[in-house]
Amino acid sequence: EVQLVQSGAEVKKPGESLKISCEASGYTFTTYWIGWVRHMPGKGLEWMGIIYPGDSDTTYSPSFQGQVTISADKSISTAYLQWSSLKPSDTAMYYCARHNQHLLGTTLLRDAFDIWGQGTTVTVSS
Amino acid sequence: DIVMTQSPDSLAVSLGERATINCKSSQSILYSSNNKDFLAWYQQKPGQPPKLLIYWASTRESGVPDRFSGSGSGTDFTLTINSLQAEDVAVYYCQQYFSSPCNFGQGTKLEIK
Repeated sequence: EVQLVQSGAEVKKPGESLKISCEASGYTFTTYWIGWVRHMPGKGLEWMGIIYPGDSDTTYSPSFQGQVTISADKSISTAYLQWSSLKPSDTAMYYCARHNQHLLGTTLLRDAFDIWGQGTTVTVSS
Repeated sequence: DIVMTQSPDSLAVSLGERATINCKSSQSILYSSNNKDFLAWYQQKPGQPPKLLIYWASTRESGVPDRFSGSGSGTDFTLTINSLQAEDVAVYYCQQYFSSPCNFGQGTKLEIK
């Protein structure tokens, strides 16, 4: 079964660092883009950025560039989202999701997010 | 960046009736090389992650009931839910994956009238 399993809920203080994880199974981790999506309370979904675990190529949304770091460890099929200094405004649910893909000629095109993790709640409060 | 705008923000429909949600992109998301629109629709129920319903604007994901259908091309898209069921109460999002950032619409909350 193809699945993404995320790490558990976190409660942190402003200024603290945090790294949450997303473990993939059931498919070849290194050959699909994985993305992170923020869902703030009462708000919509926000695409934060993606990583291609095969070569760690990473793309960030301008809204999140410099605010978070996306990484992956292909030896354990796990992607990460990390903060160096949390703010109360980082309080949200965070999802990882796999971009499906298809090959057009020699070009690999990203498709929709077909597999989602269960989400990790991050609460930042003093 | 491509901006996705959904309408309406909320919608109340009677059981058994049709629900229609619109999504507009700020620029075309039609990929000319394969003539496919890079648009997806997701359903999110409370306490659950989003679930993929439709991709390439009109292709149903495996296991999605056929009362869900997607249409449109270029910049204007529609999600139609025929014969609304109680379990369809959710927030629905469109998303473009034509270019990064792959932005979502703001969401449409669907309720039973």
